[in-house]
Amino acid sequence: NAGVTQTPKFRILKIGQSMTLQCAQDMNHNYMYWYRQDPGMGLKLIYYSVGAGITDKGEVPNGYNVSRSTTEDFPLRLELAAPSQTSVYFCASKPGGGTSYEQYFGPGTRLTVT
Amino acid sequence: DAKTSQPTSMDCAEGRAANLPCNHSTISGNEYVYWYRQIHSQGPQYIIHGLKNNETNEMASLIITEDRKSSTLILPHATLRDTAVYYCIVRGFSNAGGTSYGKLTFGQGTILTVHP
Repeated sequence: NAGVTQTPKFRILKIGQSMTLQCAQDMNHNYMYWYRQDPGMGLKLIYYSVGAGITDKGEVPNGYNVSRSTTEDFPLRLELAAPSQTSVYFCASKPGGGTSYEQYFGPGTRLTVT
Repeated sequence: DAKTSQPTSMDCAEGRAANLPCNHSTISGNEYVYWYRQIHSQGPQYIIHGLKNNETNEMASLIITEDRKSSTLILPHATLRDTAVYYCIVRGFSNAGGTSYGKLTFGQGTILTVHP
């Protein structure tokens, strides 16, 4: 299994540009998550999904959108990039119901907005 | 969910045991203690979790005090590759009456530096 994969690894965006961060998992996990991590800080939850077609906001959803059309993929969309969105973005997944907190993380996408 | 308190940083000599403490004095009866670590520039990695009994796996041991207000993660023979930020997270089955959907909340964690 490849686990959780994320593309691209690095990206530089100009202010106002848009992009989609890709996340895929091959473990047939129902739950998927997007986090961001600013320098020296812990991770903050942006959006999460409990299955195909079902998404919900996390702690810091403003400026982002998500979709979940398949179990495997959970892309994160930035519509109008701002310098405040410069961060490292991590995607994660987990199996089963809501009583487990063992998540599997991808390697991250490092995004710079200038 | 219960808040946690961890030291900002700790050092450990290679080959020695690393003991990372975590205080969670407001933990409730249905809340688990989870430990994750994040090696520089990588995604977090699950280590271990427990409710009230001590737990051990191939990576570490988790000691939870009898009153459950604190815990210690033990890496028995630390190596240079164990240098990382270690996060202690307390989570329960439900959040304000509903399911928490497995969501995690990360604090600042403890920066563990293992030196030769």
